[in-house]
Amino acid sequence: EAGVAQSPRYKIIEKRQSVAFWCNPISGHATLYWYQQILGQGPKLLIQFQNNGVVDDSQLPKDRFSAERLKGVDSTLKIQPAKLEDSAVYLCASSFWTRTNTEAFFGQGTRLTVV
Amino acid sequence: AQSVTQLDSQVPVFEEAPVELRCNYSSSVSVYLFWYVQYPNQGLQLLLKYLSGSTLVKGINGFEAEFNKSQTSFHLRKPSVHISDTAEYFCAVSDSYSGAGSYQLTFGKGTKLSVIP
Repeated sequence: EAGVAQSPRYKIIEKRQSVAFWCNPISGHATLYWYQQILGQGPKLLIQFQNNGVVDDSQLPKDRFSAERLKGVDSTLKIQPAKLEDSAVYLCASSFWTRTNTEAFFGQGTRLTVV
Repeated sequence: AQSVTQLDSQVPVFEEAPVELRCNYSSSVSVYLFWYVQYPNQGLQLLLKYLSGSTLVKGINGFEAEFNKSQTSFHLRKPSVHISDTAEYFCAVSDSYSGAGSYQLTFGKGTKLSVIP
């Protein structure tokens, strides 16, 4: 089974520029998450989708971050304009939760450096 | 709201020695508990999980963890570590099942395990 695919793996941009990350979840997984992992910290949830609807975006800085999941499959996370403190690894995860299936699968992440 | 505390940010240990990585959580509801491992420049991989039943959970790569409800802990252990276990380990918690789309993992800050030859 193919895993969660993310691209690009690495991105370097200047502050105030915009950037977009792409995620292709495991086929059939209805739930998709974007996490931000700042160096030395654990992953922090930015947004959670169930199919193409948003379940939770309470920690998404909506003045600069946006995300969409058209057709309930692929997802894109955008930052515009980027700040230095946005430097982090952005992880995408997907899952199909049931009472017996309780694992979230993670992609390799996109490492963003804002200079 | 849930939270996870990993008490040690770094744990150095000699090869073939035992190790324990500590995790405490807080939650007002019934929870599921997880340990993930992250190798350099990789995503997170599930080591083991506790949903219900036996409080001693066995995972991959010889790791195990014990759920202690009274102490709200879920410590990870391995009796003999290898060089290849060098990685960062994250404890995570979610509410127990309440419908599709309801799960949300809250992570601790991680513990870096360094195995010394």
